[in-house]
Amino acid sequence: EVQLVESGGGLVQPGGSLRLSCAASGFTFSSYWMSWVRQAPGKGLEWVANIKQDGGEKYYVDSVKGRFTISRDNAKNSLYLQMNSLRAEDTAVYYCARTLMATIHYWGQGTLVTVSS
Amino acid sequence: QSALTQPPSASGSPGQSVTISCTGTSSDVGGYNYVSWYQQHPGKAPKLMISEVSKRPSGVPDRFSGSKSGNTASLTVSGLQAEDEADYYCSSYTGSNNPYVVFGGGTKLTVL
Repeated sequence: EVQLVESGGGLVQPGGSLRLSCAASGFTFSSYWMSWVRQAPGKGLEWVANIKQDGGEKYYVDSVKGRFTISRDNAKNSLYLQMNSLRAEDTAVYYCARTLMATIHYWGQGTLVTVSS
Repeated sequence: QSALTQPPSASGSPGQSVTISCTGTSSDVGGYNYVSWYQQHPGKAPKLMISEVSKRPSGVPDRFSGSKSGNTASLTVSGLQAEDEADYYCSSYTGSNNPYVVFGGGTKLTVL
């Protein structure tokens, strides 16, 4: 059974940093592109970033470029999102997602990031 | 790249059929057959219901079907059941890496 379990969310002040983690199991992690998708409270979904199987390609939505960094450790079956210079508009539930052909076949349960003073 | 356009709400009675539209452009929906639909119940993670315009993943009831015409994709739910009440989101590949995928704003489906 595919499982994606996020952790690392919480309350952080504007300008602060947070690192999200996603532990993957039930599939060959190193064989898939992985993504982070977020959902602001009461709002729709927004793709944030994705990373190739070997970590050699990474892409970001404009609003987080230069502030967020996606990475992965295939030996640990883990995906990460380092978030710096956080803003109020980054407040959202962040989902870890297994991606294939622009489709998210599996989602984690999400972790809430709240940016507030 | 703008978000795809979905109606904010849709409704139907049990047993009826309802169709939700998702309108994009020739740069996303109209240009590629990588349109997906996701169901999201309150407080839960989204769940894939349709991929590549009309493919139904294992375990998804055949009451759910997808189609596309030009720049508009559609999700049809036939034989509505109470458990179908949820938010539905469409998404499309954009042919670009920024953004890689664009989502619709979501449609709240109410089973009357």
